[in-house]
Amino acid sequence: NAGVTQTPKFRVLKTGQSMTLLCAQDMNHEYMYWYRQDPGMGLRLIHYSVGEGTTAKGEVPDGYNVSRLKKQNFLLGLESAAPSQTSVYFCASSYHLSLSTADTQYFGPGTRLTVL
Amino acid sequence: GENVEQHPSTLSVQEGDSAVIKCTYSDSASNYFPWYKQELGKRPQLIIDIRSNVGEKKDQRIAVTLNKTAKHFSLHITETQPEDSAVYFCAASNAAGGGNKLTFGTGTQLKVEL
Repeated sequence: NAGVTQTPKFRVLKTGQSMTLLCAQDMNHEYMYWYRQDPGMGLRLIHYSVGEGTTAKGEVPDGYNVSRLKKQNFLLGLESAAPSQTSVYFCASSYHLSLSTADTQYFGPGTRLTVL
Repeated sequence: GENVEQHPSTLSVQEGDSAVIKCTYSDSASNYFPWYKQELGKRPQLIIDIRSNVGEKKDQRIAVTLNKTAKHFSLHITETQPEDSAVYFCAASNAAGGGNKLTFGTGTQLKVEL
């Protein structure tokens, strides 16, 4: 059981380049999330998905797009990278217990992205 | 939306002492409050969580208390050890809002000194 995995681990981009971060989970979780972590600001939710084929905006969605074509994968795209998107990106997943009960979110190892 | 404030931002204790980290939240509908520990360069890992129908929960040296009326919750670590040194994050979630979205505090850097 690998849990939550992320690809790549590190990446350096130039301003204006595009890239896709891949998150995969093998726990059959319904919910998946993308966060960014910046010094002194904790983790902030970018986008999330409550099931295959669905996505929704989080707290800081601008400049990012996501897709969830398969239940086990959640992709985060940067169409035109900017220096402000330099950050550590974490993916997470969780079960859906009920409409009124949250469950533990399990995090991937993170992707360190630098935009020059 | 939800807003979570966390204090202190840094905390230094002597080995064997207790450490307390406090968080407040703004959304009275929030009903799930996890705490994560993050070591340098690693992923956040859940150490304990509490739901709104419980006032206190304990797991060995770690305990969490919740005061729904005051909208604050706290992490208590007793008999601290050097391996407790890390950044700790609190979070809050209102599952009824859809997606079980977590709002995190800004973190507390705990240093346990020998």
